Amino acid sequence: DAKTTQPTSMDCAEGRAANLPCNHSTISGNEYVYWYRQIHSQGPQYIIHGLKNNETNEMASLIITEDRKSSTLILPHATLRDTAVYYCIPHGSSNTGKLIFGQGTTLQVKP
Amino acid sequence: GAVVSQHPSWVICKSGTSVKIECRSLDFQATTMFWYRQFPKQSLMLMATSNEGSKATYEQGVEKDKFLINHASLTLSTLTVTSAHPEDSSFYICSATNVDTEAFFGQGTRLTVV
Repeated sequence: DAKTTQPTSMDCAEGRAANLPCNHSTISGNEYVYWYRQIHSQGPQYIIHGLKNNETNEMASLIITEDRKSSTLILPHATLRDTAVYYCIPHGSSNTGKLIFGQGTTLQVKP
Repeated sequence: GAVVSQHPSWVICKSGTSVKIECRSLDFQATTMFWYRQFPKQSLMLMATSNEGSKATYEQGVEKDKFLINHASLTLSTLTVTSAHPEDSSFYICSATNVDTEAFFGQGTRLTVV
């Protein structure tokens, strides 16, 4: 599995966009980029995933660079409930569901 | 998204006893379930992969005789922590998936061994 680098922590003001970067320079061609988040003392929650095109759903947008070596998760209007640890996980379809978690980014949304 | 339920949410047990944790996929059939462990201020660590009807595959360093996994149906997997000791106290999380879906996680089980 590809290795990832994420900032340890970030702050964001409530109502502003939160942009969470992830470097995955060793990602292989068949690996998607998945994003999950974990609110304190809960199980991880799926957010979004993509292969090479940008993706958007009701929770977030995912921007993947053309060379696929990095991506950015965007929460367009962060709320206090978005405070969580965010994990970027490259994941190939051949390992269905087997996710290897790095350290993630702790996002603190402040009033 | 799909619903995965774990039971119990928390459990306290005495050292030397065994504890069973259940993981159920409520609205889809999970061909594969995964078990993770998470210590305070650390990330999730994959313990084992279980496929319905077959033996679980354990990650390196995880004792298969201590952490018994059963995946008897497409909607239920169980993790039994045998002869639990205080160092087994942790947050245990399961996830479930099939070929058509991303992985969905249970809410976790906090185990405290006293």
